[in-house]
Amino acid sequence: DIQMTQSPSSLSASVGDRVTITCRASQGIRNDLGWFEHKPGKAPKRLIYAASSLQSGVPSRFSGSGSGTEFTLTISSLQPEDFATYYCLQNNSSPLTFGGGTKVEIK
Amino acid sequence: EVQLVESGGGLVKPGGSLRLSCAASGFIFSKAWMSWVRQAPGKGLEWVGRIKSKTAGGTTDYAAPVKGRFTISRDDSKNTLYLQMNSLKTEDTAVYYCYYYYMDFWGKGTTVTVSS
Repeated sequence: DIQMTQSPSSLSASVGDRVTITCRASQGIRNDLGWFEHKPGKAPKRLIYAASSLQSGVPSRFSGSGSGTEFTLTISSLQPEDFATYYCLQNNSSPLTFGGGTKVEIK
Repeated sequence: EVQLVESGGGLVKPGGSLRLSCAASGFIFSKAWMSWVRQAPGKGLEWVGRIKSKTAGGTTDYAAPVKGRFTISRDDSKNTLYLQMNSLKTEDTAVYYCYYYYMDFWGKGTTVTVSS
């Protein structure tokens, strides 16, 4: 099974900050990776698919990059509504696997 | 409007069984590869398993913690996805979401509690 190692597990940031979250795959997964935002009591929401493609309706401050084993989610200017937990998910091979999550909190 | 509505959650004793359902509407369910995803209290998201469309073989895949205990099935005539959970353990306590990956459609989730 492919393991996804996500870092950091949590971070504190201020509105307007640039935030970067990383996922590392235990083996190459091409660009078969998505990034998700999850808020308490709500269903998760995909922000990025195929490592760098922005999901329709998602603000352009979110961007993804990477290929192979190293991937990054960047929020260029953190907004109040962005405080949430973020996950990567590899869909290169079954079983699909999520990263451990990054909780973004208000500084 | 796309809807995925889970049902069947509840309280069950360790070793017991439960069947979750997910009623789909607003898209061509028979063509969709459908998944179940769960989140245990205080934990992260965990992919449970997936069933492919019948035209893709209708095969299933499962995460290691549930393999051999959980079974995913579908009834395309009813636009419904199922998750049969047997030999339940306390660590299966979670909110279970029905999920269509290709279009990023999620249900609101149903809560399963395994406790004596």
